[in-house]
Amino acid sequence: AQKITQTQPGMFVQEKEAVTLDCTYDTSDPSYGLFWYKQPSSGEMIFLIYQGSYDQQNATEGRYSLNFQKARKSANLVISASQLGDSAMYFCAMREYAGGTSYGKLTFGQGTILTVHP
Amino acid sequence: DGGITQSPKYLFRKEGQNVTLSCEQNLNHDAMYWYRQDPGQGLRLIYYSQIVNDFQKGDIAEGYSVSREKKESFPLTVTSAQKNPTAFYLCCSGGANYGYTFGSGTRLTVV
Repeated sequence: AQKITQTQPGMFVQEKEAVTLDCTYDTSDPSYGLFWYKQPSSGEMIFLIYQGSYDQQNATEGRYSLNFQKARKSANLVISASQLGDSAMYFCAMREYAGGTSYGKLTFGQGTILTVHP
Repeated sequence: DGGITQSPKYLFRKEGQNVTLSCEQNLNHDAMYWYRQDPGQGLRLIYYSQIVNDFQKGDIAEGYSVSREKKESFPLTVTSAQKNPTAFYLCCSGGANYGYTFGSGTRLTVV
């Protein structure tokens, strides 16, 4: 069974500094996808970044980058130049591949609450 | 605009009552999912469907039921057998590549 572990219940960062949110995963599938989502207090899930298991380079999307270390089974999210609006819950998730389709179910970690201080 | 619509946004259930949460998508996605989120916790999978007229149990299906009669719709019924239904419920659909889209959620409270 797939498992996602986020060991940081809460993180604090000063505005304009960088922060790393940890995520480790466990799977026996050679093909998988890793996601990071942001959930503000409103509850909506905002997609941030995606990394495929066969991708050679680490994914980047604006201020977000994913530090993918396949051998260590880690997929940490790095947010550069933190902004007050980055304060939210962040989830790491992994997708399994079901029967060759590209949209298997997502398994989520417990989340990390990020607080950005001015 | 394409997206997922969940309704209602807030729902109150009396003890012993069944309630149905609506989820509609116009993204032409084959797969749809229901997740439950308790305060300060991650999302747990209740049910999912990858094709019309077919669905599978997730990790916490007891006390819930679903139907998938149309591609666009995947309603979730919270039955009286669900002893602790107070939670935030999120519907999600999945398309090609990594295109998952989430609804805005329904907050269910037992009164």
